Amino acid sequence: GENVEQHPSTLSVQEGDSAVIKCTYSDSASNYFPWYKQELGKRPQLIIDIRSNVGEKKDQRIAVTLNKTAKHFSLHITETQPEDSAVYFCAASQGGGTSYGKLTFGQGTILTVHP
Amino acid sequence: NAGVTQTPKFQVLKTGQSMTLQCAQDMNHEYMSWYRQDPGMGLRLIHYSVGAGITDQGEVPNGYNVSRSTTEDFPLRLLSAAPSQTSVYFCASTFPIQDLEIYGYTFGSGTRLTVV
Repeated sequence: GENVEQHPSTLSVQEGDSAVIKCTYSDSASNYFPWYKQELGKRPQLIIDIRSNVGEKKDQRIAVTLNKTAKHFSLHITETQPEDSAVYFCAASQGGGTSYGKLTFGQGTILTVHP
Repeated sequence: NAGVTQTPKFQVLKTGQSMTLQCAQDMNHEYMSWYRQDPGMGLRLIHYSVGAGITDQGEVPNGYNVSRSTTEDFPLRLLSAAPSQTSVYFCASTFPIQDLEIYGYTFGSGTRLTVV
């Protein structure tokens, strides 16, 4: 099955700096890669996602890049703010077949943005 | 539109007890799933369902049962609770299947379960 590795496990930045979180996946059939943000005691919430037919996607201060050949994808947050502090999870999924809809998550990255 | 509703929010069980975690969604989502979240291990899939009457196992199914008699409900049953099942449990659902493409999950608020 799919295996997703996420790095780093913790990331500390100063307000205004950029933050980058990287994930690798093992199953070349995976074609959907979402990122979730989870604040303390809250549910995970989707912040951005990318499909395998796209190399990059941007939404304001957040961007995700995908390298299918190397099987890795990354989350980029620019101009970080204290409210960006949370745990971030990457995930991978196949779009069809017997693994339809099954999201495999990375281990999570605790991002702390210092004012 | 309440989204994904999970009950209870907190539960303490004794070893060997059984219980059912409830999950309901009112968005007509076909796909529903249960995850458990443990420190440093992300979210691990327990069971999932692609529609009413259809369920399948995920990564960590042992000790749990599910059923999907309606589109709206997807309960998770712990058969005989063990301390290793102490965790936070999340139910999630996603949009109707279109062209076999998956869309972002909507998560419930979670159930924090402690087994003593």
